Amino acid sequence: DTAVSQTPKYLVTQMGNDKSIKCEQNLGHDTMYWYKQDSKKFLKIMFSYNNKELIINETVPNRFSPKSPDKAHLNLHINSLELGDSAVYFCASSQAGAGEQYFGPGTRLTVT
Amino acid sequence: SQQGEEDPQALSIQEGENATMNCSYKTSINNLQWYRQNSGRGLVHLILIRSNEREKHSGRLRVTLDTSKKSSSLLITASRAADTASYFCATDYGPNQGGKLIFGQGTELSVKP
Repeated sequence: DTAVSQTPKYLVTQMGNDKSIKCEQNLGHDTMYWYKQDSKKFLKIMFSYNNKELIINETVPNRFSPKSPDKAHLNLHINSLELGDSAVYFCASSQAGAGEQYFGPGTRLTVT
Repeated sequence: SQQGEEDPQALSIQEGENATMNCSYKTSINNLQWYRQNSGRGLVHLILIRSNEREKHSGRLRVTLDTSKKSSSLLITASRAADTASYFCATDYGPNQGGKLIFGQGTELSVKP
């Protein structure tokens, strides 16, 4: 059984488009995250949600809007895509206070 | 920036040798974690060491933490070709920081058969 899943795995789109990435976890965790990994493999937190409530917003442009319909899902919608948005986006989940995070397989976004 | 630093950036060894990776961070932490990332895959949690612990073992992995020097090391003993991956340290500053992890730049380990 997949613990943290993301769709799609690959996303190729043109500048200016709007796209969404979906994430689901079946671990019963109450906290979910979005991370961005750039071409140099640098990983940076973008958002964190706890029980559907936004906890962390790390100075991400407001073109990025996360949405958590329930505590098992955290989606990421990106408006007006730019070349610099090209990266691998990882979803993760954890139980608050447990420390250890479980990562999804990543979504490779390419903006042309 | 709270970002940690790792060294070396790349490490190439022969199967059977030990691999040591180091991580430094800037401010007091709640815990420090190590993750592995195989090429094109997600991150996998390896081990967590709390700020009041000095050493932890898990199979062939040994992690040390020196809070006075704000540094940690990951030792992989008797390495195997399957250990080839990128290894990241990540610092957790506690629930007040929402559980976010601050990652180092990673060490790319290559184990040659």
